[in-house]
Amino acid sequence: DTGVSQDPRHKITKRGQNVTFRCDPISEHNRLYWYRQTLGQGPEFLTYFQNEAQLEKSRLLSDRFSAERPKGSFSTLEIQRTEQGDSAMYLCASSFRGGGTGGVNVLTFGAGSRLTVL
Amino acid sequence: GNSVTQMEGPVTLSEEAFLTINCTYTATGYPSLFWYVQYPGEGLQLLLKATKADDKGSNKGFEATYRKETTSFHLEKGSVQVSDSAVYFCALPPAAGNKLTFGGGTRVLVKP
Repeated sequence: DTGVSQDPRHKITKRGQNVTFRCDPISEHNRLYWYRQTLGQGPEFLTYFQNEAQLEKSRLLSDRFSAERPKGSFSTLEIQRTEQGDSAMYLCASSFRGGGTGGVNVLTFGAGSRLTVL
Repeated sequence: GNSVTQMEGPVTLSEEAFLTINCTYTATGYPSLFWYVQYPGEGLQLLLKATKADDKGSNKGFEATYRKETTSFHLEKGSVQVSDSAVYFCALPPAAGNKLTFGGGTRVLVKP
């Protein structure tokens, strides 16, 4: 198990271009989360999947953002028509949650993908 | 909904000094509480957690006690090292749902 992997680690793009980030979670984890972190702030939740189902989306996830997890394993986060305000670190995390309501949901984070929009 | 407030940084201190980072929360019920740490250039790592009132989480010399009477989960370390320089985040789950909500983070800089 190599932890949560994110690719690319850094992306510089021009305003208006589309970008896509990939996240490979820990293999046995059924939940996958995307967060955004701007400089000096805590991570803000964007969306999360349980297996291949996208169960929750934040208001922060505008219609230019789309996330998928087609086979319940890796996930992609695409940003269309990027704006300078999209510049941030995009963090992916995964966790395992079994049936029932007990247990502690511990998230394991990847190193993040830093986006700079010029 | 559940929320967390932590002290703003930066906190600058010398090696071997005592560190406290305050975290208070507002919550429905008694959610689990977490401290995550982010070292320069890296992703967030779970530092410690507490799952119920009066629990004490500990790891790498850091401790935090879940105090329901003061709704706090302050992080402490008795003798910091330069390698503890990082950003520390307090976090808890929302009243409903499965994501974590993070505080704004506290940057700690330990000087030799």
